[in-house]
Amino acid sequence: GENVEQHPSTLSVQEGDSAVIKCTYSDSASNYFPWYKQELGKGPQLIIDIRSNVGEKKDQRIAVTLNKTAKHFSLHITETQPEDSAVYFCAAATSGTYKYIFGTGTRLKVLA
Amino acid sequence: DAGITQSPRHKVTETGTPVTLRCHQTENHRYMYWYRQDPGHGLRLIHYSYGVKDTDKGEVSDGYSVSRSKTEDFLLTLESATSSQTSVYFCAISEEGLYGYTFGSGTRLTVV
Repeated sequence: GENVEQHPSTLSVQEGDSAVIKCTYSDSASNYFPWYKQELGKGPQLIIDIRSNVGEKKDQRIAVTLNKTAKHFSLHITETQPEDSAVYFCAAATSGTYKYIFGTGTRLKVLA
Repeated sequence: DAGITQSPRHKVTETGTPVTLRCHQTENHRYMYWYRQDPGHGLRLIHYSYGVKDTDKGEVSDGYSVSRSKTEDFLLTLESATSSQTSVYFCAISEEGLYGYTFGSGTRLTVV
């Protein structure tokens, strides 16, 4: 079945360093890839997304890259800050369906 | 969270009892979703709705039913709660179907 693998499950970085989270998807028809940030006790919040006709997208300190051939996409956070500490989820979805397949999450800790 | 409210926020119930969770939105979005979040599984789709009285099953729908009699309300019912349904339940809404989910704050359900 459709599957999204996400690595690593936990990631600790020093404040100011970069963090990279990687996801691999199985369904070659997937064409939409959102990333969500979830803080403790809250619902996931969309932070950035990318569609399959784009290879990279940036929004200030956050960027997402997509490699359709290899079927993987990555989240890059530069100049990390303590408030970046949270659980991050990737997801893959296909036009014509309504559901996301989520990865299992990465707990990011930014150490001051 | 941006016009989406889940109730109750917490609930403890006994095995075998029926339970209904409510999702209410003020955004007039067409699409509504119920996900459950469990450690090691990320978020998994239970049911979704693409309009009033229009619903369909997700990947983990067994033991759950839904109803949507008004645009703003999407109800999730556990007909006879089991311990395996202990989880955090999230409702999400979207205007364009696949793109730009907004999640609610979640309902933590414990079945004892």
